[in-house]
Amino acid sequence: EPEVTQTPSHQVTQMGQEVILRCVPISNHLYFYWYRQILGQKVEFLVSFYNNEISEKSEIFDDQFSVERPDGSNFTLKIRSTKLEDSAMYFCASLRPGVRTEAFFGQGTRLTVV
Amino acid sequence: DAKTTQPPSMDCAEGRAANLPCNHSTISGNEYVYWYRQIHSQGPQYIIHGLKNNETNEMASLIITEDRKSSTLILPHATLRDTAVYYCIVRVLIFDQGGKLIFGQGTELSVKP
Repeated sequence: EPEVTQTPSHQVTQMGQEVILRCVPISNHLYFYWYRQILGQKVEFLVSFYNNEISEKSEIFDDQFSVERPDGSNFTLKIRSTKLEDSAMYFCASLRPGVRTEAFFGQGTRLTVV
Repeated sequence: DAKTTQPPSMDCAEGRAANLPCNHSTISGNEYVYWYRQIHSQGPQYIIHGLKNNETNEMASLIITEDRKSSTLILPHATLRDTAVYYCIVRVLIFDQGGKLIFGQGTELSVKP
């Protein structure tokens, strides 16, 4: 069964450092998403991406965040200057176009900012 | 997207059916009901979705009331591995426009031996 792959599974970084989280969506999917989940809290939408541009973003997705699909297969989330409160699980998801479709999620990257 | 209401937690005995309710009284005609689950801190896993007819797949059944204001996810023979947080999400599905899933707090289902 096709799956969304995320790397790394766990990233530890110092406050103020830049991090890049990577995702390989399912190959025939065209919509891509990042979500995050702070420990003990609900899964929160960050951003959606379609046709090489952001289609929607939440209030959380401020200027410190950016997304990119650099090579047609990877989908990345960059945090420019990490803060302690960025510590969370980050999930990538992808969706193929159509009416009866479902989004598939990766297993997540646990980001720890120290 | 319409708001959903779910009980915060439920218990179920192993081998019995787990019936997870969801209220979505403000659902509109073009909104689908989706169910996902999250085991520990893994990525959310798709279970099933439907518009107005009941749906069944290898994982579960989805029963949507005739007025579409509520639905029930049924896991016919719950196992310990079904212990997870279950999310009911209502989402507009616009052809070729993706759309996003908004997660609430969900129902924490504990399957007990």
